[in-house]
Amino acid sequence: NAGVTQTPKFQVLKTGQSMTLQCAQDMNHNSMYWYRQDPGMGLRLIYYSASEGTTDKGEVPNGYNVSRLNKREFSLRLESAAPSQTSVYFCASSMTGGNQPQHFGDGTRLSIL
Amino acid sequence: GESVGLHLPTLSVQEGDNSIINCAYSNSASDYFIWYKQESGKGPQFIIDIRSNMDKRQGQRVTVLLNKTVKHLSLQIAATQPGDSAVYFCAENIGAGEGYGNKLVFGAGTILRVKS
Repeated sequence: NAGVTQTPKFQVLKTGQSMTLQCAQDMNHNSMYWYRQDPGMGLRLIYYSASEGTTDKGEVPNGYNVSRLNKREFSLRLESAAPSQTSVYFCASSMTGGNQPQHFGDGTRLSIL
Repeated sequence: GESVGLHLPTLSVQEGDNSIINCAYSNSASDYFIWYKQESGKGPQFIIDIRSNMDKRQGQRVTVLLNKTVKHLSLQIAATQPGDSAVYFCAENIGAGEGYGNKLVFGAGTILRVKS
């Protein structure tokens, strides 16, 4: 019963390097989300995909791009990593229809030196 | 309650006691609220949700209360156990419309420590 799977679990990058974080869900959910979590703070929405073929900006989209590859997969790309992007990144998914809980993966811990 | 910044509020309770975690939300138009539990090294785990047309909802050992007048949400955990130790987040749905996913805004979190 996998739910939401994120890869990799840990990554260290140098400033300026690029990186794609992968996320896949097996719950047949239409909507998927990327968040970042910084120490002592709640999660902040980076991008979301309400349904396959659509993506929209969240609260903190600058420096990121996303691709909704198919219904199962939603990737997050850092084109030129900066130290300010050091964070834990969480992917989530939900059924469509407004008031539905989001289900989260266990995160990717990303450090940028 | 919630706070902004690096120092999360901490609630310490004795095993077996009841816990109450509070949250103030920001948007009076929010129509859906969720409580999540996050253990160290894990992603947030769904606990319970409530829609704005309700003021109370109960689950197994947990109750969520919603007071729309003062924009306040609370999570009550009965007979708190060591396994309940975690960070608890409230989240409000600021809305993306029917037919879309939801857009959640999270509080900063409250640390619950259960003493044996």
